[in-house]
Amino acid sequence: QKEVEQNSGPLSVPEGAIASLNCTYSDRGSQSFFWYRQYSGKSPELIMSIYSNGDKEDGRFTAQLNKASQYVSLLIRDSQPSDSATYLCAVTGYGNKLVFGAGTILRVKS
Amino acid sequence: NAGVMQNPRHLVRRRGQEARLRCSPMKGHSHVYWYRQLPEEGLKFMVYLQKENIIDESGMPKERFSAEFPKEGPSILRIQQVVRGDSAAYFCASSQQGNSNQPQHFGDGTRLSIL
Repeated sequence: QKEVEQNSGPLSVPEGAIASLNCTYSDRGSQSFFWYRQYSGKSPELIMSIYSNGDKEDGRFTAQLNKASQYVSLLIRDSQPSDSATYLCAVTGYGNKLVFGAGTILRVKS
Repeated sequence: NAGVMQNPRHLVRRRGQEARLRCSPMKGHSHVYWYRQLPEEGLKFMVYLQKENIIDESGMPKERFSAEFPKEGPSILRIQQVVRGDSAAYFCASSQQGNSNQPQHFGDGTRLSIL
């Protein structure tokens, strides 16, 4: 079982719609959860962090965490073509190393 | 530019040569992490360093790879006797503190190509 799992996609949504990206993790001791966006050929860019159960909102982005279900998600409201990228879910447990999922490709169609 | 600085951006080496990748963390950050992204694969942790100390090298191949973060100067990831399988993007990240809840900010990476 992979430590962090994401649907590879591509996930296609029309412009203006809500994109929902999901991630599950296997280590119950995981403490911190991050979403990074990576454009093709570029570096990962941190867009959200979440540490406790519930929702965290920042602009058009909402991260949701459910530790009992070992599940973290990212919602992107009013999706724009510029949101088209690979979204990486990353988790830290004991120690500081980030464990990444393989990423979900998001395509926003105009 | 106060971000994480990596150089070179692109590096081409022939099999058997050495590759040196450099990383200067963000201003005020003293924790450095190296990750590797192989083609069509996700980012994999390699090593975590603080000034003059290797904290976690659990993701580092046992042979040919080494890393350092001296008291002065950038962190260096060194690959000796490179092979074709070392071709990848190598990313450095830094954080201000060493807690697991500290966000890590990434540099633009070094794309290593082995001929």
